[in-house]
Amino acid sequence: AQSVTQLDSQVPVFEEAPVELRCNYSSSVSVYLFWYVQYPNQGLQLLLKYLSGSTLVKGINGFEAEFNKSQTSFHLRKPSVHISDTAEYFCAVSLTTDSWGKLQFGAGTQVVVTP
Amino acid sequence: DGGITQSPKYLFRKEGQNVTLSCEQNLNHDAMYWYRQDPGQGLRLIYYSQIVNDFQKGDIAEGYSVSREKKESFPLTVTSAQKNPTAFYLCASSIGVGSGYTFGSGTRLTVV
Repeated sequence: AQSVTQLDSQVPVFEEAPVELRCNYSSSVSVYLFWYVQYPNQGLQLLLKYLSGSTLVKGINGFEAEFNKSQTSFHLRKPSVHISDTAEYFCAVSLTTDSWGKLQFGAGTQVVVTP
Repeated sequence: DGGITQSPKYLFRKEGQNVTLSCEQNLNHDAMYWYRQDPGQGLRLIYYSQIVNDFQKGDIAEGYSVSREKKESFPLTVTSAQKNPTAFYLCASSIGVGSGYTFGSGTRLTVV
């Protein structure tokens, strides 16, 4: 079975500062990796995903993530945050062998951006 | 535009009552999922379905039931057997492995 650990439950950050959200996973087989964002009282929206190829993945809203197979990590970064980036962020994995593509989610990281 | 519609957005239930949450998609996705979200616990899988008339239990299926009579619809019933039903419920769909999910906007259920 796979598992996902988001190392920070909350990350405070000032507007225009960089932010990094950490995600580690464990799995005995290869995985696909995803980051989602959730604004209050809304569903989740896909930010980016890694399936194969280049380990640096660019997503929407200026976010990017880097897949590190040796460290089993998929950290999310943004070089300069805005107030509107205040939200909860979820890392998720699915096994490449799972034909249903079920996702296992981390517990989430709450990002709070202040002026 | 294609998407997933969950209704109602807010739902209040008296103890001992069953309630049904609606989830409809027009994305032509085969797979559909129900998750429960509680603060600090991420998303926990309740039930999932990949084809009509077939569904599987997830990690926390006790006290819940589903049906999949049409490809577009995957309603969730929260029964009186669910001891702590107050939560945010999310429905999602997927076209298959590696595609990720498309989520609905959620239903917040409160027991009063």
